Amino acid sequence: GAVVSQHPSRVICKSGTSVKIECRSLDFQATTMFWYRQFPKKSLMLMATSNEGSKATYEQGVEKDKFLINHASLTLSTLTVTSAHPEDSSFYICSARDKNNEKLFFGSGTQLSVL
Amino acid sequence: GNSVTQMEGPVTLSEEAFLTINCTYTATGYPSLFWYVQYPGEGLQLLLKATKADDKGSNKGFEATYRKETTSFHLEKGSVQVSDSAVYFCALSSNTGNQFYFGTGTSLTVIP
Repeated sequence: GAVVSQHPSRVICKSGTSVKIECRSLDFQATTMFWYRQFPKKSLMLMATSNEGSKATYEQGVEKDKFLINHASLTLSTLTVTSAHPEDSSFYICSARDKNNEKLFFGSGTQLSVL
Repeated sequence: GNSVTQMEGPVTLSEEAFLTINCTYTATGYPSLFWYVQYPGEGLQLLLKATKADDKGSNKGFEATYRKETTSFHLEKGSVQVSDSAVYFCALSSNTGNQFYFGTGTSLTVIP
C-alpha cells in the first residue's frame, strides 16, 4: 500500500536551534500534505496545509515564521521548526493526499524534544 | 467551528469482549467521518470511514454509523482480539475535504 515516510522519528535538540522534519510520499504523488501537532492527552491539531508549488495555509494561532513549510515537489514536504524552544517539544505528524484517489496517508510521526 | 469529542481512555478489555468507543462531532456543512488506528510503533492508518448520514463504515470487524441526528460516529466491535490493542482516533474532514480534525485518541488494551 501507499507509504508516507517521515524522518526523523525522534530528534533532540538544544534551545535556539532549528530542526527540519521531512515527509515523503514513497509511491504516489501528493498535491496536498498536512502537518499536525499532538499535545499530550490532547487532539491532533492541524497546523498547516501545504500544496505543491504554493505557499502553505496556516491554521489560526500557528506562527508561520516559526514553522516553515516547504512543499517543493509532489513527493516531499518539509517542516522546519526555527529557533526551537522547550514549548515546541511535541509529536509532529504529516499526512499526504494521493492526487489520484484522494486517499490520505500518514507518516509515523516525529517526536521533538527541545532541551 | 469543527471539532471532535472522543471518549477518553484508556480502555482495557478481555479478549472477545464487546467494544464501543464513543465519538461525537460538531461541524458546519456535511463532513466526512473517519476512524484511524495507530498500532504501537506505527503511523496512523485509516480503519473505516463514512461520507454521508446513515452510512456505515466497516473494516476488520469494526463498524461505525454516521448518525446526523445525534452527531455521532461510535466505533464498535463485537469481539475484540489482543491484536486490536492500539490507539483509536475519531476524525472528521470538512466538507471541502481540505482540513481534518481529530479526537484525542482512545488507547485500547485487550488482554488474553
